[in-house]
Amino acid sequence: SSELTQDPAVSVGLGQTVRITCQGDSLRNYYASWYQQKPGQAPVLVIYGNNHRPSGIPDRFSGSSSGNTASLTITGTQAEDEADYYCKSRGSSGNHLVFGGGTKVTVL
Amino acid sequence: QVTLRESGPALVKPTQTLTLTCTFSGFSLSTSGMCVSWIRQPPGKALEWLALIDWDDDKFYNTSLKTRLTISKDTSENRVVLTMTNVDPVDTATYYCARLYIATADVTWFDPWGQGTLVTVSS
Repeated sequence: SSELTQDPAVSVGLGQTVRITCQGDSLRNYYASWYQQKPGQAPVLVIYGNNHRPSGIPDRFSGSSSGNTASLTITGTQAEDEADYYCKSRGSSGNHLVFGGGTKVTVL
Repeated sequence: QVTLRESGPALVKPTQTLTLTCTFSGFSLSTSGMCVSWIRQPPGKALEWLALIDWDDDKFYNTSLKTRLTISKDTSENRVVLTMTNVDPVDTATYYCARLYIATADVTWFDPWGQGTLVTVSS
């Protein structure tokens, strides 16, 4: 089992808000980063650190963290946001990295 | 512009050694904070971190695969090589390399990623 736990799937209405969570003990000490992966494509960084977005990522993507849980929120979800989303952090030992199991976001 | 590209065999036989090369441009692996990492994704499954090498030539491995993996770099040629010994059909996956940036001890991220290379392990 992964050190980071994500819900396998979530659905959201077009234009609505969806929150994707990632739970793990290491998140108390290390920030998560979040990746969007569309079918047949490589993952793309969408959030890192304390809610930072890389250039080119829409501001409808935001991140937050509290205790052992990191969250990715998409506000005003668009059809093109339908994808798998993965969180990543350091593992509990600090000397390795770990991904969550991924959350499939379906836009209705 | 930072780019990474994976190369290697598309088909490997069980028990053989897999060698993958990541060729990158747009950054130097001798710059503090810069690392290159390998990640894989079996068909229809989640991402799995494999290994990373940093600017200081420190190497870190997935605990469960550590005995089978070796990562190395050629800074002058802008290449990072991953070898995996004794492959099995369960190692069939798309293998990605990605730049990992270590901003601080608690803030790291992968960006960008290579396009990935599909490796099938089959006799």
